[in-house]
Amino acid sequence: DTAVSQTPKYLVTQMGNDKSIKCEQNLGHDTMYWYKQDSKKFLKIMFSYNNKELIINETVPNRFSPKSPDKAHLNLHINSLELGDSAVYFCASSQDASGVNEQFFGPGTRLTVL
Amino acid sequence: GIQVEQSPPDLILQEGANSTLRCNFSDSVNNLQWFHQNPWGQLINLFYIPSGTKQNGRLSATTVATERYSLLYISSSQTTDSGVYFCAGPPYNTDKLIFGTGTRLQVFP
Repeated sequence: DTAVSQTPKYLVTQMGNDKSIKCEQNLGHDTMYWYKQDSKKFLKIMFSYNNKELIINETVPNRFSPKSPDKAHLNLHINSLELGDSAVYFCASSQDASGVNEQFFGPGTRLTVL
Repeated sequence: GIQVEQSPPDLILQEGANSTLRCNFSDSVNNLQWFHQNPWGQLINLFYIPSGTKQNGRLSATTVATERYSLLYISSSQTTDSGVYFCAGPPYNTDKLIFGTGTRLQVFP
């Protein structure tokens, strides 16, 4: 039973398109995150949501819009895709936003913008 | 912000060898996690270790929070240990994980 799942696993698209990545966790956690891993393997947080409320927004371009319909889901919508958006996007979840709990990661979505 | 340094950046081992990976934080963190990113790109949780020592099979980890570093020990390495090892921790009063730059491990038969 997958704890944190993401769809799709791979996404190949043209510059200028709009795309969405979905994330679901079945751990009963309150907090969910999006992280981005660039081509040099560097991982950096983008957003966090606690109980459907935006907590962290790490100066990500406003072309990126996260949405949390309920606390088990956190989707990432990207408008007007650019070449530099090519990366692996990881969703994660944690018991709460206190910072003392373990975070669990999904399998990642590899986005390629042509 | 907090800087996380990992060493060595690259490590090549023969199967059966032991190794130690190090993670240094420039400031205190709320907790510390070690991850293994396998060749398929999955991030696998190895340890959640804010302080002290934990063991899981051939792997063990030690965190000395007062000195802001953690060590990951891999004994009797296997080819399946290959991949990139990351440490990460959140600064106090936040839950955003700050990742190190990783140690790329290659284990050859």
